[in-house]
Amino acid sequence: GAGVSQSPSNKVTEKGKDVELRCDPISGHTALYWYRQSLGQGLEFLIYFQGNSAPDKSGLPSDRFSAERTGGSVSTLTIQRTQQEDSAVYLCASSFVAAGGPKDTQYFGPGTRLTVL
Amino acid sequence: GQNIDQPTEMTATEGAIVQINCTYQTSGFNGLFWYQQHAGEAPTFLSYNVLDGLEEKGRFSSFLSRSKGYSYLLLKELQMKDSASYLCAVRVGFSGGYNKLIFGAGTRLAVHP
Repeated sequence: GAGVSQSPSNKVTEKGKDVELRCDPISGHTALYWYRQSLGQGLEFLIYFQGNSAPDKSGLPSDRFSAERTGGSVSTLTIQRTQQEDSAVYLCASSFVAAGGPKDTQYFGPGTRLTVL
Repeated sequence: GQNIDQPTEMTATEGAIVQINCTYQTSGFNGLFWYQQHAGEAPTFLSYNVLDGLEEKGRFSSFLSRSKGYSYLLLKELQMKDSASYLCAVRVGFSGGYNKLIFGAGTRLAVHP
């Protein structure tokens, strides 16, 4: 595809339920990132995948959050036992190579708006 | 810790010039990005600075001073469509690569006729 795609675009769930958010990066991009953006706030880094290296999970807020990237392409962010404070827009981004420089620009998907009731 | 500061809101008049400042204190530095984000949409890349000085790209310019931990985004000949949030982001290093971005909270710019 032409850009990063995410699904679903909107997700409403009840407190305590598990949710899965999907990200399809730009074809050929080796690096993939998940961010969270609460209303009126900046982007909060969650997790980063680069090729076959171990992911940087330093931004995950709790052990209820996990993510995987299968086959070096599609990624799924899973939130277990959702809480109301998990309500936010979850943004995925991808970049060509994680080596610095202009080619390393991150391109963002449209995001998934998660609402936990 | 990581700290990036930018004004919360700014207003400007169509046709005018506006400067959005960003100061940062981060553990490591490997480039500074500016992104534009319209309400309800994804951030889109505007500019990148890694060396001191001014980078010009059409109506938008971005400046960096690494010694001062300071950057600004300059928007000229403002148009109504420039009303958006502008996010300053610093790339810092971490084990395994140098691609982690730390974002500021963003500056909401409102352009009035």
